[in-house]
Amino acid sequence: DVKVTQSSRYLVKRTGEKVFLECVQDMDHENMFWYRQDPGLGLRLIYFSYDVKMKEKGDIPEGYSVSREKKERFSLILESASTNQTSMYLCASRRDRGRLNTEAFFGQGTRLTVV
Amino acid sequence: QQQVKQSPQSLIVQKGGISIINCAYENSAFDYFPWYQQFPGKGPALLIAIRPDVSEKKEGRFTISFNKSAKQFSLHIMDSQPGDSATYFCAASMNAGGTSYGKLTFGQGTILTVHP
Repeated sequence: DVKVTQSSRYLVKRTGEKVFLECVQDMDHENMFWYRQDPGLGLRLIYFSYDVKMKEKGDIPEGYSVSREKKERFSLILESASTNQTSMYLCASRRDRGRLNTEAFFGQGTRLTVV
Repeated sequence: QQQVKQSPQSLIVQKGGISIINCAYENSAFDYFPWYQQFPGKGPALLIAIRPDVSEKKEGRFTISFNKSAKQFSLHIMDSQPGDSATYFCAASMNAGGTSYGKLTFGQGTILTVHP
């Protein structure tokens, strides 16, 4: 079974703090993604990575950065947390099969509250 | 900019009934249309997916209907069960080659409640 593990289920941070969300996958997948989930908005792509040290902006990258130093690990960084970043954060990974779309596997999510 | 629009936002169905969730997309380059199911406290999981070369795909009680000319697709859940109560997301992506990398664009989600 593919496993995508997010380091925390719940986090409470203060405004202005630097926040790290960690994600690890165990299936040697090339592509990894960070989404945020908000009611009525669905899942929105923040950043993704297609290889170690490679990253691309998604639809809502402002206020976030990412790091991928090892293939299995993809970190989301909130440089200076703000209350509008209170949300559910979901990490996903998928195998790269060239032109073929493959299933994306999600972690269980991290519910972040910024106070 | 929401490229995939999903409706309804919430849906209540009696056990044994049919649940129907609709999605519409704008980008003609989309060529892969999965549906994800999410239970409380869990991440989304792939339920069923379709490519635009077919108009329908069925897996057990779950069917995707696809209308390429209208840029619409829908999920039908036959004989809905209380265990189907979850949030459902439609999604779309382009060919995974090039710079797409299989990025998924999601709809807004539908909260389905099936009453016993």
